[in-house]
Parts: sequence; structure tokens; C-alpha cells
Amino acid sequence: EPEVTQTPSHQVTQMGQEVILRCVPISNHLYFYWYRQILGQKVEFLVSFYNNEISEKSEIFDDQFSVERPDGSNFTLKIRSTKLEDSAMYFCASNRGNEKLFFGSGTQLSVL
Amino acid sequence: QQQVKQSPQSLIVQKGGIPIINCAYENTAFDYFPWYQQFPGKGPALLIAIRPDVSEKKEGRFTISFNKSAKQFSLHIMDSQPGDSATYFCAAKETSYDKVIFGPGTSLSVIP
Repeated sequence: EPEVTQTPSHQVTQMGQEVILRCVPISNHLYFYWYRQILGQKVEFLVSFYNNEISEKSEIFDDQFSVERPDGSNFTLKIRSTKLEDSAMYFCASNRGNEKLFFGSGTQLSVL
Repeated sequence: QQQVKQSPQSLIVQKGGIPIINCAYENTAFDYFPWYQQFPGKGPALLIAIRPDVSEKKEGRFTISFNKSAKQFSLHIMDSQPGDSATYFCAAKETSYDKVIFGPGTSLSVIP
């Protein structure tokens, strides 16, 4: 069964550094998403992306965040200058535009 | 008003028991209510979903009951098994928007 794959599974960075989280969505999917889950808390929507542009974003997704689909297969989330509170599990998801979301296994980001 | 409330926070049942997880919402514009199951180290996976024009939906051992007037919905797991031990998230979405709003999650343990 096709899967959303995310790399790396764990990322440790120093506060103020830039990080790029990578995702390969399912190949025939058109809509791409990033969600995050702070330890023990609920899953929160960050951004959706369709047709090479941001479709929707949450209040969390400020100017420090950006997304890109640099080629036909990858979808990335960049955090420009990481803060301690950015430490979370980041999930990429994709779908064909129906409601069912397919999530990857996540990247655990730790900001020290 | 964009919140989804969920209870209980954690639940322990014996194998064969019927755990029930309850959720409530305020925004009457929500028109899609999915349940996600998450195992440790994995992303959430869609389990079952319902729309508000239906009062009950069953898929295998999983049943959603939906009460539109009370703005509540619940998940029942029949004949629960140790393999059902996971975190369960109820969620809600408006068709007009991309984001799925998750409840805080219920950690279910099914003991043999």
C-alpha cells in the first residue's frame, strides 16, 4: 500500500538554526499538508498546499515557516529560525482532495 | 468555537469489553467527523468517518454514533482486542476549509 514517507525520523537542532523537514507524499495525491503534535497534546493543522501554492494556513504558520514542492515528488517544511517551542512531532499528510488524509510517521524535532 | 472536546483522556478495558469515547463540538458548520487511530511512533490513520445526515455508521467492530442536535458523537469498539490499544482522536472539518480539527485524544489500553 502506498505510504507517505518522512525524513529524517528525528532531528535535533540548536535554537535559532534553520531546519528542513522532508516528505514524499503518495504519488497520485494532489493536496499536501503539514500538521504538528506537541508531546501529549492534540494534532494541530499548520498548512495545506495545492497546485504549487499555499491553500490554507493556521495562526501557528507564521513568517518563520515556509513550504515548498521543489520537484515532482518532495514536499518540504522549512523553519527559518527555530525556537524551543517548535519542538514537536511534525506530520506530513496528503490526499486526492477528498477528506481522507494519509499521514506519514512523522519527524520528531527537538530544539535545544 | 473551533474546538473539539474529547473524553475520557485515558481508558482501560478488558479484552472483549466495549470502550466508548465521546466527543463534542460547537461549530454547526462542521460537516465531516473522522476518527483517527494512532499507534506509538506512527502517524494518525483514518479509522472511520461520518457526516451529520447519518446517526450511526458501522465498519467492522467500530461504530460511530452521531447526535446532531446535541452536537456530540462517539466511537464504540465492539469486542475490543489488545491490538486496539492505541490513541484515538475524534476530529471535525468544514467542507469549505482544508484543516481538520483534532480532539485532544484518548489513550486506550485493552488488557488481556
